[in-house]
Amino acid sequence: DTAVSQTPKYLVTQMGNDKSIKCEQNLGHDTMYWYKQDSKKFLKIMFSYNNKELIINETVPNRFSPKSPDKAHLNLHINSLELGDSAVYFCASSQDFTGEIAKNIQYFGAGTRLSVL
Amino acid sequence: AQKVTQAQTEISVVEKEDVTLDCVYETRDTTYYLFWYKQPPSGELVFLIRRNSFDEQNEISGRYSWNFQKSTSSFNFTITASQVVDSAVYFCALSEPNFGNEKLTFGTGTRLTIIP
Repeated sequence: DTAVSQTPKYLVTQMGNDKSIKCEQNLGHDTMYWYKQDSKKFLKIMFSYNNKELIINETVPNRFSPKSPDKAHLNLHINSLELGDSAVYFCASSQDFTGEIAKNIQYFGAGTRLSVL
Repeated sequence: AQKVTQAQTEISVVEKEDVTLDCVYETRDTTYYLFWYKQPPSGELVFLIRRNSFDEQNEISGRYSWNFQKSTSSFNFTITASQVVDSAVYFCALSEPNFGNEKLTFGTGTRLTIIP
């Protein structure tokens, strides 16, 4: 079974449309993240959620709205898509800090390649 | 602010050669974590290693080894006897501890091509 799974893998859409990307993890982790990888392969964090609560929001346009119905899912909804939104979006998850051993390894999904035409 | 620099944009070596990928980081924190991830042509991000800032021991895992030197703020990655399957983009990353809510700051990646 895939640990962190994203759907769809590819998403092609027109400018101005609204689209969603889904992410699910079966690792029992408490924290989930969204990262964006641009055309030059640069990876940058967008959001993180811990137990359904927003923790990190890195100056992302408010057209992007993450939603976490439970701690195993973190979906990304994008309104009014723009050409510059074309990128690969990665979901990741990690376990909470527990005791002296930080379990802060982030495991990534396979990515969703979004192309806005 | 945290920063990770991977000065080598692209490297090509012939199969079976050894290759070292450089990573230099900047942080004001005394406690931090360093990572390497591999992104093969198929596109997924694969975790390779995490190193705690208090643990400067070098690590070896099969053909992979990592050299962490706090004095030079470097965390270099060496592949010994490279193979075609090692062809990928490799990312070095840095995070500060935040009770499980760490954000990874990535370098720009090094594209490694192993020539058969």
